[in-house]
Amino acid sequence: LAKTTQPISMDSYEGQEVNITCSHNNIATNDYITWYQQFPSQGPRFIIQGYKTKVTNEVASLFIPADRKSSTLSLPRVSLSDTAVYYCLTSGSARQLTFGSGTQLTVLP
Amino acid sequence: SAVISQKPSRDICQRGTSLTIQCQVDSQVTMMFWYRQQPGQSLTLIATANQGSEATYESGFVIDKFPISRPNLTFSTLTVSNMSPEDSSIYLCSVVGGTGFNQPQHFGDGTRLSIL
Repeated sequence: LAKTTQPISMDSYEGQEVNITCSHNNIATNDYITWYQQFPSQGPRFIIQGYKTKVTNEVASLFIPADRKSSTLSLPRVSLSDTAVYYCLTSGSARQLTFGSGTQLTVLP
Repeated sequence: SAVISQKPSRDICQRGTSLTIQCQVDSQVTMMFWYRQQPGQSLTLIATANQGSEATYESGFVIDKFPISRPNLTFSTLTVSNMSPEDSSIYLCSVVGGTGFNQPQHFGDGTRLSIL
């Protein structure tokens, strides 16, 4: 069963770039890597997904090295409203929807 | 993306009773899932709700405790049976529009359940 490992917490200041790395050593060939953001009292919200190399959308970038054993979510110029818990998830087949512990990102003024 | 509505948003229940949580989606979706999230913790998958057949439960979760229905492609229910204080948690449903488990999930805002 694929398992992900993330830092428990990170602090940053407004305007900085934040990089959160997730380790997934047992990722399967067919698995994709997906990141979610969760605010208190809300369900997780999809941020970005990738399979390999680099993916970028309007809110984040996702960097995946060639061995795919880790991935890094990059949030450019964070603001106070980016304070949330960030989860990475590897999935691609049944029974692999396992969320890691998540990373509590706190953005300070 | 799909809009997911969960009812109730929160409830306080007595020990030994049961509660049914509803999940309604504004479009037809292929897969629906039920998760549990205990306070300050990550999400744990309870089961995959299969349309027209029995749900697929994860290790540690059984149908007698968490019966699930999925009568069509837009609706599912999760019942928490014979509740105890250990069942106090947030229960979330999620949906996937595509056919593969690698597709992004979209979540409801959850049902916050407290058992006295």
